Amino acid sequence: QQPVQSPQAVILREGEDAVINCSSSKALYSVHWYRQKHGEAPVFLMILLKGGEQKGHDKISASFNEKKQQSSLYLTASQLSYSGTYFCGTRQIQGAQKLVFGQGTRLTINP
Amino acid sequence: DGGITQSPKYLFRKEGQNVTLSCEQNLNHDAMYWYRQDPGQGLRLIYYSQIVNDFQKGDIAEGYSVSREKKESFPLTVTSAQKNPTAFYLCASSTEIQPQHFGDGTRLSIL
Repeated sequence: QQPVQSPQAVILREGEDAVINCSSSKALYSVHWYRQKHGEAPVFLMILLKGGEQKGHDKISASFNEKKQQSSLYLTASQLSYSGTYFCGTRQIQGAQKLVFGQGTRLTINP
Repeated sequence: DGGITQSPKYLFRKEGQNVTLSCEQNLNHDAMYWYRQDPGQGLRLIYYSQIVNDFQKGDIAEGYSVSREKKESFPLTVTSAQKNPTAFYLCASSTEIQPQHFGDGTRLSIL
């Protein structure tokens, strides 16, 4: 079951904050976040495991709400380099290596 | 440096022709994957393999074939049965605890 990402697209000015959501109708074991620049391969950002932990590095963090089966990616004080399409990939079972990706959220940061 | 190497970067296919995309990894990862990405779209799983000499169909396997004779290699053949092969093809690998990491991709077009 493909997770649903929202919003589909966001346009921000440099320095503004953004939240991207990834929701599933199935129970999840983990959520993986990636960023893809135009014409390039996706780059891994972070994994969230069930248990509701929050992770982050620099000004990008994420949380996983097990009750809602939803993960949120937070981009604080956005920089021009944050532009790209963000994908969440989900795993339903521990040990399963296959990921199911959402449709992506296109983030545009303007100066 | 460890990584995933995809070749060629660009590939052109004639009508009725089979073409093979190469994917090699030296990360000692057990699992390997092939994804297809159409412009402005998400990642759709074609095939994946969790161990040598074994692989499973993903969501869009029709018109594609794979082999996994060595741990390091997971080539994808786009057959003439795939009527709309123009897309960006991404190979990835992972372990049970490590996230998926992607190669730089192959862009396939029809002549």
